[in-house]
Amino acid sequence: KAGVTQTPRYLIKTRGQQVTLSCSPISGHRSVSWYQQTPGQGLQFLFEYFSETQRNKGNFPGRFSGRQFSNSRSEMNVSTLELGDSALYLCASSRGDRTNTEAFFGQGTRLTVV
Amino acid sequence: GNSVTQMEGPVTLSEEAFLTINCTYTATGYPSLFWYVQYPGEGLQLLLKATKADDKGSNKGFEATYRKETTSFHLEKGSVQVSDSAVYFCALSNAGGTSYGKLTFGQGTILTVHP
Repeated sequence: KAGVTQTPRYLIKTRGQQVTLSCSPISGHRSVSWYQQTPGQGLQFLFEYFSETQRNKGNFPGRFSGRQFSNSRSEMNVSTLELGDSALYLCASSRGDRTNTEAFFGQGTRLTVV
Repeated sequence: GNSVTQMEGPVTLSEEAFLTINCTYTATGYPSLFWYVQYPGEGLQLLLKATKADDKGSNKGFEATYRKETTSFHLEKGSVQVSDSAVYFCALSNAGGTSYGKLTFGQGTILTVHP
């Protein structure tokens, strides 16, 4: 069974640019969540999508957005990049129902903003 | 709201030593509790979980018991190996409502095991 796949693994962008990250969940999982990991703030929840709908959102500015496609693959977009957006972005997939909250993570995308 | 507090790190041990990493939580209702491990340059791997009070999660020699009376989920291993060196995260999930898909993490504990 294939795991969670995130692409690309590494990205270098310039301040002011925008970036799109991709996440393919485990087959059969309908929920995809995104997290930002930084040394200072730790792991912070960005948002969660289930069946193409955003069900939950963390406390991030509107520059951070996402979407989910009918095959459950998800993308997140960050516009007008700032130096502070440099982080490891992780996505997690799960079945998304009330009875099973077990989440499986991808290897992450390391974003560096210069 | 939900929160998770892990013991201050880093933790440095010799091989075959006993490991405890403390984790306490604050949450409404009956959350599920998890331990994740992160190796350098990697994502998070689920190490073990417990979904109700008094459940014991175990995997690869690691154990943790869900203690509702003390709101704790401490991670233990009887004999650590060099290969256990990693960052360990305690996390909780409250299914449903405004918590869908959201794991709340502790700050992480860096474990280094020396030969």
